[in-house]
Amino acid sequence: AQKVTQAQTEISVVEKEDVTLDCVYETRDTTYYLFWYKQPPSGELVFLIRRNSFDEQNEISGRYSWNFQKSTSSFNFTITASQVVDSAVYFCALSEAEDNYGQNFVFGPGTRLSVLP
Amino acid sequence: DVKVTQSSRYLVKRTGEKVFLECVQDMDHENMFWYRQDPGLGLRLIYFSYDVKMKEKGDIPEGYSVSREKKERFSLILESASTNQTSMYLCASTLNPNTGELFFGEGSRLTVL
Repeated sequence: AQKVTQAQTEISVVEKEDVTLDCVYETRDTTYYLFWYKQPPSGELVFLIRRNSFDEQNEISGRYSWNFQKSTSSFNFTITASQVVDSAVYFCALSEAEDNYGQNFVFGPGTRLSVLP
Repeated sequence: DVKVTQSSRYLVKRTGEKVFLECVQDMDHENMFWYRQDPGLGLRLIYFSYDVKMKEKGDIPEGYSVSREKKERFSLILESASTNQTSMYLCASTLNPNTGELFFGEGSRLTVL
């Protein structure tokens, strides 16, 4: 069965620091998708990025970047020059493409990021 | 703008009461989900539905049931609420349950006394 691990339960940084959120996954499928979601204090999870298992290119979107490495089964998320508005819980998730109806869309336990002014 | 709306943001119920949590999406998605979120456990799937009147159990269906009478609406029912069902409940929908992103509602925080 697949599994997603986010070893960092909570991280605190001071504004403008860079911060990396770790995500390690386990799957036996060769085709799968990885996701990152942000949950601000308002509660609604917001989709940030999707990566399929055949695309190992790193991606950058503004201050956000993602490092996908199949060799270490990791999909880490870096925020550059963090801001107070980045404070949230961040979830990494995995979906296996061959799965039945997304039953095994698995989330990690989340990392709570606090950015202090 | 796409939208998933959950009927109640905060509820307080007593042990043994019947609880209805409603979720409506306006994206014409076939697939809808109910998750439970608890600290340190992430999101755990309770039930999902891939079509009207169709439902499948997730990882933790015990104590819950669901109803999907219309495509846009997916309801979670707690027949007899218990204190261990105190939690945040999140509804989501998606076009493709394996490859597509999930769109979430704002969550319903339920407290059972």
